[in-house]
Amino acid sequence: DTGVSQDPRHKITKRGQNVTFRCDPISEHNRLYWYRQTLGQGPEFLTYFQNEAQLEKSRLLSDRFSAERPKGSFSTLEIQRTEQGDSAMYLCASSWTTNTGELFFGEGSRLTVL
Amino acid sequence: GDSVTQMEGPVTLSEEACLTINCTYTATGYPSLFWYVQYPGEGLQLLLKATKADDKGSNKGFEATYRKETTSFHLEKGSVQVSDSAVYFCALSDNTNAGKSTFGDGTTLTVKP
Repeated sequence: DTGVSQDPRHKITKRGQNVTFRCDPISEHNRLYWYRQTLGQGPEFLTYFQNEAQLEKSRLLSDRFSAERPKGSFSTLEIQRTEQGDSAMYLCASSWTTNTGELFFGEGSRLTVL
Repeated sequence: GDSVTQMEGPVTLSEEACLTINCTYTATGYPSLFWYVQYPGEGLQLLLKATKADDKGSNKGFEATYRKETTSFHLEKGSVQVSDSAVYFCALSDNTNAGKSTFGDGTTLTVKP
């Protein structure tokens, strides 16, 4: 395991459809984060897990978004009834509890909603 | 809440020129500060970090000093190379909030030969 992996890398969908993204963190990391990045902006925090517990959700995360990390390993981010405004790059990052906030990012999953 | 403001880009330099990308922050606690870099087609990766006031982070010829009095963390390099062309993000991590990070909007650097 050499890093954080995300799947799929690209997803094109029609408005109203549901999409799911998967993230596999670095194996020894117990924290997992989801961020969203739009063109010309920095990553915006969506939610994070410590082990399997979801400890914080941003106000950006509407009711159409749900994230899980069922066994404290991989995580999924689901967007229901997608809207054009959901088009963005969804980034996953992981870290371990005792570090100083350094995040290890995957390459992201780009969502385009038509 | 926490925020990070960084120098707007894009920045275009000739090879071997000096680089400074300004970054200032607002935080309620005592954050750790970071510069991340995103090369074309790749994910964000940590470039350097500083965890307390007056610390200097350095890597690959880049440096940044944590200045608490001016709430700044400017990125500098004395001689840039074409391979430094990338997007640079300044970020802070609130050490009281499980390492959640706040990012600036990024500065695109292009270095021409």
